[in-house]
Amino acid sequence: QKEVEQNSGPLSVPEGAIASLNCTYSDRVSQSFFWYRQYSGKSPELIMSIYSNGDKEDGRFTAQLNKASQYVSLLIRDSQPSDSATYLCAVNLAGTALIFGKGTTLSVSS
Amino acid sequence: KAGVTQTPRYLIKTRGQQVTLSCSPISGHRSVSWYQQTPGQGLQFLFEYFSETQRNKGNFPGRFSGRQFSNSRSEMNVSTLELGDSALYLCASSLNEQYFGPGTRLTVT
Repeated sequence: QKEVEQNSGPLSVPEGAIASLNCTYSDRVSQSFFWYRQYSGKSPELIMSIYSNGDKEDGRFTAQLNKASQYVSLLIRDSQPSDSATYLCAVNLAGTALIFGKGTTLSVSS
Repeated sequence: KAGVTQTPRYLIKTRGQQVTLSCSPISGHRSVSWYQQTPGQGLQFLFEYFSETQRNKGNFPGRFSGRQFSNSRSEMNVSTLELGDSALYLCASSLNEQYFGPGTRLTVT
């Protein structure tokens, strides 16, 4: 049974701080990794994808992948109150289908 | 480019009834996946269609079914509704990365 694990939180950070979100996955052959952001009452929005070991940066977001440790993380720099949401880690299941973690709730206080 | 659209957005049904949900993918996307989201179980994969063929299937009972048409639009059907089927049903279309529609909120009473 393939699994994706995330700390449910809530993770609370002050405005301007770095938020660090973590995710582990069980299937060693997984090749594609994604971070989605979901605001309350809305659908998930893709914010980052990463396919190879190392870091990938996009604006204030950095995704980090370590396949040997089966670990993927998301760093949010200069956190803003508008970043307050649930962050979902997803790993490819088969085809383009994804298996999701249950999400980490991030709260950024001003 | 228009995003993924889903209809209807909200639906209330009674136990034992059936329901059909519709999804129109982003233009050019041939893969459509369906997910169920509940507070307890999170986002769970239902099935994926590609070029009118079911390519992958999640661990849901046979009451859940789907299909895809030649224009890539997809429908999912749930027969003999149960209270536990109350959820947000999300459709995602993709080339490589999945983009979600707004979802259909189904309430079964």
